[in-house]
Amino acid sequence: AQSVAQPEDQVNVAEGNPLTVKCTYSVSGNPYLFWYVQYPNRGLQFLLKYITGDNLVKGSYGFEAEFNKSQTSFHLKKPSALVSDSALYFCAVRDPGYSTLTFGKGTMLLVSP
Amino acid sequence: GAVVSQHPSRVICKSGTSVKIECRSLDFQATTMFWYRQFPKKSLMLMATSNEGSKATYEQGVEKDKFLINHASLTLSTLTVTSAHPEDSSFYICSARGDRGMNTEAFFGQGTRLTVV
Repeated sequence: AQSVAQPEDQVNVAEGNPLTVKCTYSVSGNPYLFWYVQYPNRGLQFLLKYITGDNLVKGSYGFEAEFNKSQTSFHLKKPSALVSDSALYFCAVRDPGYSTLTFGKGTMLLVSP
Repeated sequence: GAVVSQHPSRVICKSGTSVKIECRSLDFQATTMFWYRQFPKKSLMLMATSNEGSKATYEQGVEKDKFLINHASLTLSTLTVTSAHPEDSSFYICSARGDRGMNTEAFFGQGTRLTVV
């Protein structure tokens, strides 16, 4: 079985400050990990993924995420938040033995001017 | 990234009628397509997985006779909500994964807001 936890329903940050959106996972094997962003009434946009290799993954729009195997975490980060980053963020995991993604419940990021 | 086009983006239908939603991969061949349902302020609920040319695999609790999925080609999958009722009103999202292997990301359509009146 595979599962994802996003412990925060909402994260508030001021523009220009660093942001972190938390994600922890559970899989039986080595995980494939993904971050997606969703704007209102839109589908999901792919941000970044971790498959193997460097634990720090860089993605779209200045976002990055760090894979931590010992803590089973894959937190999303950005050094300097923008108001336009305000959206719903989903972490997802796939066990290589499964075809389907399992999504977290989502974290709403609100960046204030 | 790859583009997945979903149509229509918004549809309103009368109770008892059927609605078809299309999902197309525009610049890659989608060997696997997924259909999700999203409730307000909730995560995505996987409804079914379809592979081109074969029957869809439905998740537990999803009525296969109500939500008909067809994946007739490597670029097109359709979801038909049959005999729609107000409780079927929701945001439906498709996604597609190409043939470059299981570790590739899935790409998502824009979503379809279905309202049954």
